Amino acid sequence: DQQVKQNSPSLSVQEGRISILNCDYTNSMFDYFLWYKKYPAEGPTFLISISSIKDKNEDGRFTVFLNKSAKHLSLHIVPSQPGDSAVYFCAAREGANNLFFGTGTRLTVIP
Amino acid sequence: EAGVVQSPRYKIIEKKQPVAFWCNPISGHNTLYWYRQNLGQGPELLIRYENEEAVDDSQLPKDRFSAERLKGVDSTLKIQPAELGDSAVYLCASGLGLAVGTQYFGPGTRLTVL
Repeated sequence: DQQVKQNSPSLSVQEGRISILNCDYTNSMFDYFLWYKKYPAEGPTFLISISSIKDKNEDGRFTVFLNKSAKHLSLHIVPSQPGDSAVYFCAAREGANNLFFGTGTRLTVIP
Repeated sequence: EAGVVQSPRYKIIEKKQPVAFWCNPISGHNTLYWYRQNLGQGPELLIRYENEEAVDDSQLPKDRFSAERLKGVDSTLKIQPAELGDSAVYLCASGLGLAVGTQYFGPGTRLTVL
């Protein structure tokens, strides 16, 4: 059973606009959430994370929002750049346990 | 700083053949993970090592998969015999322990079983 879900397999955005990638989870015990970015033929690379005690974390153009009551998190990229085109994976963890990954969303930023 | 190194990058074999993947983690990282990523899916954990000890191998299909991490550094993952359904990308990752947060992934080995 998929505990972390990314329901949008793909997203296309114009350069300079905002990209919003969504992620839902079912396990209320998850307390740490991460976003990974993956280019073709490379492994996922860590992008940004958030602890369940926060509802927002920002790093440059990337902001992650967490809504615990809705079991939902989102990644905002502003402004989007062509180099942001990649597959984005949401991941979640409960305590010192292993990560559970979503199925990924392919972002295409159109120049 | 060198990243996680994996070899080979690509492997094509016929079903029932054995195959092995090798991983060299980032220096100083005591935790090592093997993941399998099927097409269109996210990575799924196969086994996690803390130093040389396999602390979580609950998702490793032990009838055909085996792994080792001698001396707590490099690791190998073996499949014997391979089946068609084993075609996937096998990712190795390393980190400083779960409590620290992030894992650093290697480029993966793409396995095709014919």
